[in-house]
Amino acid sequence: DVQLVQSGAEVKKPGESLKISCKGFGYTFTSYWIAWVRQMSGKGLEWMGVIYPDDSDDRYSPSFEGQVTISVDKSISTAYLQWRSLKASDTATYYCARLQKYSSGPSRRMDVWGQGTTVIVSS
Amino acid sequence: DIQLTQSPSFLSASVGDRVTITCRASQGISSYLAWYQQKPGQAPKLLIYGASTLQSGVPSRFSGSGSGAEFTLTISSLQPEDFATYYCQQLNTYPGTFGPGTKVDIK
Repeated sequence: DVQLVQSGAEVKKPGESLKISCKGFGYTFTSYWIAWVRQMSGKGLEWMGVIYPDDSDDRYSPSFEGQVTISVDKSISTAYLQWRSLKASDTATYYCARLQKYSSGPSRRMDVWGQGTTVIVSS
Repeated sequence: DIQLTQSPSFLSASVGDRVTITCRASQGISSYLAWYQQKPGQAPKLLIYGASTLQSGVPSRFSGSGSGAEFTLTISSLQPEDFATYYCQQLNTYPGTFGPGTKVDIK
């Protein structure tokens, strides 16, 4: 079965650091981009950024550039989303999703999603 | 960044109704448009990609059309399990922005 499995929920204090993970199963992890998407409570989906596991090429949305770091360890088929200093406004559910290469043309799509990781930042 | 708008933002409908949701892009995106369904507490689920290609396993009552800057998602006969929020997404350029969503509720 093709799936992405994310790490569990986190409760942190403002100023703390955090790294959440997304592990791929059942497909060639290095052949697809991994995207991260934020969803704040009761709100819509926000594209944060993507990484290509084969060469760690990454792209960030301007809204998230400098606020988070996306990384990958292709040896264990795992992508990460990291914060150095959390804020209360980082409280949200974060999803990872598989994305086809740009060479796929209009068939690009986010076809496999992780189950989501809920992050709560509160003093 | 390319901006997407969706209309309506909220839709109240009955089982069996034909439902159409529109997504407009701030500039042309060819057919780089996907549609997702999200139910409360669940991850989004891909329905349509390439503006009109049905994802494997998705019921045929869902269809997509359009190209350039205007797109539609149609549900031909709304079923109880279709009550959810629907998002469009453009994948023509980074960032792959999402529309604000359309919530489909039970009348």
